[in-house]
Amino acid sequence: QKEVEQDPGPLSVPEGAIVSLNCTYSNSAFQYFMWYRQYSRKGPELLMYTYSSGNKEDGRFTAQVDKSSKYISLFIRDSQPSDSATYLCAMTGEGTYKYIFGTGTRLKVLA
Amino acid sequence: GAGVSQSPSNKVTEKGKDVELRCDPISGHTALYWYRQRLGQGLEFLIYFQGNSAPDKSGLPSDRFSAERTGESVSTLTIQRTQQEDSAVYLCASSLTGGRLDTQYFGPGTRLTVL
Repeated sequence: QKEVEQDPGPLSVPEGAIVSLNCTYSNSAFQYFMWYRQYSRKGPELLMYTYSSGNKEDGRFTAQVDKSSKYISLFIRDSQPSDSATYLCAMTGEGTYKYIFGTGTRLKVLA
Repeated sequence: GAGVSQSPSNKVTEKGKDVELRCDPISGHTALYWYRQRLGQGLEFLIYFQGNSAPDKSGLPSDRFSAERTGESVSTLTIQRTQQEDSAVYLCASSLTGGRLDTQYFGPGTRLTVL
């Protein structure tokens, strides 16, 4: 079993839809959770990060962490065609510099 | 300012040859990371540098892989006797201090193809 599981998609939604992207993980030591966006043939760019449990909102993006269920989510409101990309979750814990990434979910927002 | 740069952008090599990949981090960033991304896969951590030293090299897959960093600047990842399974995109990232909530800024990657 992988430490981090993420549905690879592709996920196709119409413009304006609310998108829900998710990752599950098995290591209860993970405390730091990130979401990255990666356009084709580019390096990932950080969208959001959260520490421990809770919600965090930034514009159209909301990140949620449920440590009891070992489940994290990224919500995108009012999705735009420019949001079409691969979204990667990543996480790490205390005492390590090793970040574990999900395989990424490919999102297509249709105009 | 300039972002993270990597060279070459593409590298095609024959099985058994050595390759050297270069990463130029953002100026002033003390932390540097190397990752490997195989087709359709997530990023796989290889090594972390803080300044010149590598406190965590646990992700290097074999002794054919090595990396070094000069000062708080350029880093090179060397793969000796390349194998077809080494084909991947190799990504470098840097961050200001290496703190766990410090943003990692990624380069565009080097696409390595081993024939």
